[in-house]
Amino acid sequence: QVQLVQSGSELKKPGASVKVSCKASGYTFTSYVMNWVRQAPGQGLEWMGWINTNTGNPTYAQGFTGRFVFSLDTSVSTAYLQISSLKAEDTAVYYCARDPLPYYYNSNAYYFDYWGQGTLVTVSS
Amino acid sequence: QSALTQPASVSGSPGQSITISCTGTSSDVGVYNYVSWYQQHPGKAPKVMIYEVSNRPSGVPERFSGSKSGNTASLTISGLQAEDEADYYCSSYTRSSTLVVFGGGTKLTVL
Repeated sequence: QVQLVQSGSELKKPGASVKVSCKASGYTFTSYVMNWVRQAPGQGLEWMGWINTNTGNPTYAQGFTGRFVFSLDTSVSTAYLQISSLKAEDTAVYYCARDPLPYYYNSNAYYFDYWGQGTLVTVSS
Repeated sequence: QSALTQPASVSGSPGQSITISCTGTSSDVGVYNYVSWYQQHPGKAPKVMIYEVSNRPSGVPERFSGSKSGNTASLTISGLQAEDEADYYCSSYTRSSTLVVFGGGTKLTVL
């Protein structure tokens, strides 16, 4: 069965960096785009972008360029989200979520069929 | 401010039907059928309930249905049950540089 398992909660100081992992199992990791979604405390969902797990090419949503980096380690079927120069407003739960359309369709389904359990990143001095 | 507009809250009694609206524009909901709906219980990850406007993934009860008219998509839940109490989010592909937008979410209370 498909599973996305994320790394545990993080407490960081402003200005530090954090790297969140998302380990996939139960399917061919490199066949499906991986998305990242942010949810600030008590707030709604915000799409951050995706990474093509076949090519490694990332696409970032407006507002998530510069300090946010998506990466992969296909040898361990894991996607990563790294955030640098952390600010208090980065405090949120970060989810990885799979797009269900295989890459060879050369398109996306633009919805998310499997989600990780979420990783809480808290930025506080 | 979210790109898609949803009511903050809706409520209904067990057995009743409710509808949650999701209003977008001619750059997203109005021109693309990439509208999806997610259910999120407190402290849990979202779960897709509807994709491509009206399709239900395997395992989602038939009580959940989706539709679209113009720039507004809707999620209808019939035969409300206590376990339907959750937050619901709509999402759409958009031709803007953002690509994927969510609504602000609707809290469903089952009375």
